[in-house]
Amino acid sequence: NAGVTQTPKFQVLKTGQSMTLQCAQDMNHEYMSWYRQDPGMGLRLIHYSVGAGITDQGEVPNGYNVSRSTTEDFPLRLLSAAPSQTSVYFCASSYSPGPITGELFFGEGSRLTVL
Amino acid sequence: KQEVTQIPAALSVPEGENLVLNCSFTDSAIYNLQWFRQDPGKGLTSLLLIQSSQREQTSGRLNASLDKSSGRSTLYIAASQPGDSATYLCVTKWGNYGQNFVFGPGTRLSVLP
Repeated sequence: NAGVTQTPKFQVLKTGQSMTLQCAQDMNHEYMSWYRQDPGMGLRLIHYSVGAGITDQGEVPNGYNVSRSTTEDFPLRLLSAAPSQTSVYFCASSYSPGPITGELFFGEGSRLTVL
Repeated sequence: KQEVTQIPAALSVPEGENLVLNCSFTDSAIYNLQWFRQDPGKGLTSLLLIQSSQREQTSGRLNASLDKSSGRSTLYIAASQPGDSATYLCVTKWGNYGQNFVFGPGTRLSVLP
């Protein structure tokens, strides 16, 4: 009964360091996505995937890379962290990306601080 | 482009009151609408999912309604409790492949004991 699992929950980086936020789901969902949440900004879509091997940019993709080699996993990579990337990151998944109704499920979030 | 708004942005009520949170969307061609709650520093917990063909959904003290023609959904909370204090967000599933899910900015609810 894991649902959407994100790791790590907390991370502190120095400017210029790289890291990967992990996201895994065990519900066989086609659609997976990454959001960042900042005070007063709401949830903003970074990248999303509609299936293994298919990814695309969201609203705020700069500074982030993604890949989707399996249905279960959708890691988010920060290649050279900047203080502006200090945020809370949420991974979400849903059964289908298209015009088929489906519930959206969220992970518990990863709180990232870049010094 | 779909836009989702939520009014009010913040609400403070005494314990025991019934209350209504509002969610409006500009494009009525949605597949579903989902309500979430988010506690400070926590993730998003799904409360109710209303399919586009449905008018309302109920779970315990919560009732969500959907009126696609007017572009509105309401979340009714009966007999509010301090534990209901959280931010409530609505999200519509809309459009074709890709950026399907459009979020409202949320309503921050405080229930005072």
